[in-house]
Amino acid sequence: AQKITQTQPGMFVQEKEAVTLDCTYDTSDPSYGLFWYKQPSSGEMIFLIYQGSYDQQNATEGRYSLNFQKARKSANLVISASQLGDSAMYFCAMRETFSGGGADGLTFGKGTHLIIQP
Amino acid sequence: NAGVTQTPKFRILKIGQSMTLQCTQDMNHNYMYWYRQDPGMGLKLIYYSVGAGITDKGEVPNGYNVSRSTTEDFPLRLELAAPSQTSVYFCASSYIRAANQPQHFGDGTRLSIL
Repeated sequence: AQKITQTQPGMFVQEKEAVTLDCTYDTSDPSYGLFWYKQPSSGEMIFLIYQGSYDQQNATEGRYSLNFQKARKSANLVISASQLGDSAMYFCAMRETFSGGGADGLTFGKGTHLIIQP
Repeated sequence: NAGVTQTPKFRILKIGQSMTLQCTQDMNHNYMYWYRQDPGMGLKLIYYSVGAGITDKGEVPNGYNVSRSTTEDFPLRLELAAPSQTSVYFCASSYIRAANQPQHFGDGTRLSIL
């Protein structure tokens, strides 16, 4: 089974609208972290926001917030008041503390290509 | 603030050639990682290291080798380049192994094998 699933390959959104990017995950590790990264066309990976499995409140960072629904195993990224500069690929990723004794590292989804239209 | 630095940024290799992708970080991070990103895909873990002298395989290690002689440097070596290794390679680092630690990425190396 996919550990990270992003079901939206691409999205078009009007400037200034809010946008929700979906992410579901699968893990049996009780301790894990969920991350969102932005990859603009220039290619670098930019860390946006983090949510821990034990966090009681949804994470927020400026215009970014994370809608964390633990029982549903979803961690959707919400971008409020979208801007043209938000056009990019967005990746959801998970880091498991124990990984079943396996490799450390982030597990990434396939990404969502977000295009903000003027 | 250099962070994670990767060199080169671009490289074209012929099939069967070898090369080393360089990665260095100045944040005194113990953990370092190599990922590859194929077109239209997320990143996949190749190798990682939890400290100098200690390395381990990730999801897609075949065709690659790594070493970690210092805390700062984590080079990735391709011994016999194959077209399937055409990809963008990212190096990353983090302070410790904990779920709440984000990984800091370099800008990537775009590698084409022809």
